[in-house]
Amino acid sequence: DTGVSQNPRHKITKRGQNVTFRCDPISEHNRLYWYRQTLGQGPEFLTYFQNEAQLEKSRLLSDRFSAERPKGSFSTLEIQRTEQGDSAMYLCASSPGGSGANVLTFGAGSRLTVL
Amino acid sequence: KQEVTQIPAALSVPEGENLVLNCSFTDSAIYNLQWFRQDPGKGLTSLLLIQSSQREQTSGRLNASLDKSSGRSTLYIAASQPGDSATYLCAGSYGNKLVFGAGTILRVKS
Repeated sequence: DTGVSQNPRHKITKRGQNVTFRCDPISEHNRLYWYRQTLGQGPEFLTYFQNEAQLEKSRLLSDRFSAERPKGSFSTLEIQRTEQGDSAMYLCASSPGGSGANVLTFGAGSRLTVL
Repeated sequence: KQEVTQIPAALSVPEGENLVLNCSFTDSAIYNLQWFRQDPGKGLTSLLLIQSSQREQTSGRLNASLDKSSGRSTLYIAASQPGDSATYLCAGSYGNKLVFGAGTILRVKS
């Protein structure tokens, strides 16, 4: 297992376009998280899945954002009608259940630039 | 509101110096406290995790402490090296989410 994989690593798009990011977690991890990090700031929590169920969403996740984890494995984060303020690094993380639930492994991130 | 603050925002030291990074958190109902390293444009690498019942953790030249009563954690780096240059982030674990500080940008000069 090579860890948490995110694609694409970089995405440049024009305002108003839709973008989708994919995250492949560590295979035995049933928990998956999305965070957003803007320049000079720490990551901010967006949403959390346990298996295929989306159990928690931040108020940061506006109606233009949607995340799915259809089979409890990989996850996608879609941003519709992108705005310049959406420019950020989108980080995915996963963790196992049980006693390791709070030990997150992060991916390298997907950097979004909205022109 | 759960907030995490890191001081200083940036730090520049000569190689070989010992240094301390500070982290404070407003909500003491913390499950654990983690320190991460982030290189420019990259993801996060976990350095140390301190459970709420623990006082400190050590890994090589790194030592992290946790004082829940005062809402503080410190990361001590011994004998700093240029390869330690990075952004260091602390994060408190609350329920299913981590609340991060803004980080300390560390530069170790050779």
